[in-house]
Amino acid sequence: DTGVSQDPRHKITKRGQNVTFRCDPISEHNRLYWYRQTLGQGPEFLTYFQNEAQLEKSRLLSDRFSAERPKGSFSTLEIQRTEQGDSAMYLCASSLLPGQGSYGYTFGSGTRLTVV
Amino acid sequence: GESVGLHLPTLSVQEGDNSIINCAYSNSASDYFIWYKQESGKGPQFIIDIRSNMDKRQGQRVTVLLNKTVKHLSLQIAATQPGDSAVYFCAENKNYGGSQGNLIFGKGTKLSVKP
Repeated sequence: DTGVSQDPRHKITKRGQNVTFRCDPISEHNRLYWYRQTLGQGPEFLTYFQNEAQLEKSRLLSDRFSAERPKGSFSTLEIQRTEQGDSAMYLCASSLLPGQGSYGYTFGSGTRLTVV
Repeated sequence: GESVGLHLPTLSVQEGDNSIINCAYSNSASDYFIWYKQESGKGPQFIIDIRSNMDKRQGQRVTVLLNKTVKHLSLQIAATQPGDSAVYFCAENKNYGGSQGNLIFGKGTKLSVKP
């Protein structure tokens, strides 16, 4: 198992363009999470899935953001009409369900988005 | 509002000394806590976790202490090494085992280890 993989590692886009990020979680993990992290801050929760169901969304997740996990495996996060304020590191994490073992979330290395 | 915070933004220690990183949380309903280490350009790396029914948990060179009375969490690193230099975050979960799955992170403490 290679852990949580995120692609791309870096993305530079012009304001107003759409971007999509991909996350491949640890294969046996049921839960998948998206976080956003700006410089000098801790990660902020965006949304999470249990299998293919999106169970929770943060108020940070505006209408321009959409996440999917169609088959309960990989997930995508799309940002439409990007704004400069969207520049951040987007982190994906996965975990087992509570009680299934170590519940600690495993994070990927993130996708660094820069909107110019 | 409800948040997880840290007492010190930076901590500098001598190689070989023990390090203590502190965290205060305000939500008494939080029942699960994790410490993460984050190196520059990388995602957070799990260090150790603790549930609210425990006061102490030990790992390899690390110990987490939980004081629910004063809502305080600490991470102790024994014999700190240069490779321990990173930003450390504590995170809380308000509903371990339930449907609420998100972690709430504090702002982090930057640990610098002097050789």
